[in-house]
Amino acid sequence: DIQMTQSPSSLSASVGDRVTITCRTSQSLNTYLNWYQQKPGKAPKLLIFAASSLQSGVPSRFSGSASGTEYTLTISSLQPEDFATYYCQQSYSTPHIFGQGTKLENK
Amino acid sequence: QVQLQESGPGLVKPSQTLSLTCTVSGASISSDDYYWNWIRQPPGKGLEWIGYIYSSGNTYYNPSLKSRVTVSIDTSKNQFSLNLSSVTAADTAIYYCVRGIDSSGYYLANWFDPWGQGTLVTVSS
Repeated sequence: DIQMTQSPSSLSASVGDRVTITCRTSQSLNTYLNWYQQKPGKAPKLLIFAASSLQSGVPSRFSGSASGTEYTLTISSLQPEDFATYYCQQSYSTPHIFGQGTKLENK
Repeated sequence: QVQLQESGPGLVKPSQTLSLTCTVSGASISSDDYYWNWIRQPPGKGLEWIGYIYSSGNTYYNPSLKSRVTVSIDTSKNQFSLNLSSVTAADTAIYYCVRGIDSSGYYLANWFDPWGQGTLVTVSS
C-alpha cells in the first residue's frame, strides 16, 4: 500500500499569511493526489484535484503543486474563513487513503 | 446540483450489523464516469476510506475492513448501501457517502465530490 505523510499536523497562522501544507508519499502518484478542506461539523470539501487543478468555486488563493513524491497545498494569503482542517488523499491505487490532516489555527 | 443523503439507524448494538443507505439526486448512479464510496470519520479523528462500488457492481474494499464490509447498489432507486457486520465501539463514526469522479482518461486523476452531510452512527448497548 502507498504510505502518506502529511505535515505539519497543526499550524498556527495569521490572516494574510502564506501557508504551505505538504504531503509526502511512498511513491509517485503522478497526478492522483487531491486536497480537501473540512470545517467543524461539516463534510470535507474538495479544493484541489489532480494535484494542481482548482475545483470550481474555490478561491484562487488556493493552489496545489507536485514535485516527485512531494505534494503541496499553498494558501497565498490566509483569510478568516480558511481556518479549518486540510487533508490530502491519493487515488492512484486502492485503498484510497487520506493523509493524517493538518489543523490550521488562528495565531 | 448533485446531492447525496445518508440514512439509517444512529445507534447499533455491538456485534450487530450497521446498515446505511445513500440516496443520490441530480446525477445518475448508472454513469460510468462515477463510482460510489463510503468514508468514515471517528469523532475527533481523521478520514478512513471504506470502499467503493461502480454501477456495474464492481467493488473494492479497504483491506482493514474487507471481511466485514459489503457495498451494494440499486440503480432503479439511484441508491447505494453499506453493510458493516460484527460492529464494535471502534466503528463509532460519522459515515459519509461520497461520489467518486473517474477522470483517468482526461485528468489522469480520480477524486471525491460531492460528499453527503454525514450521519453519526454510535455502537453501544
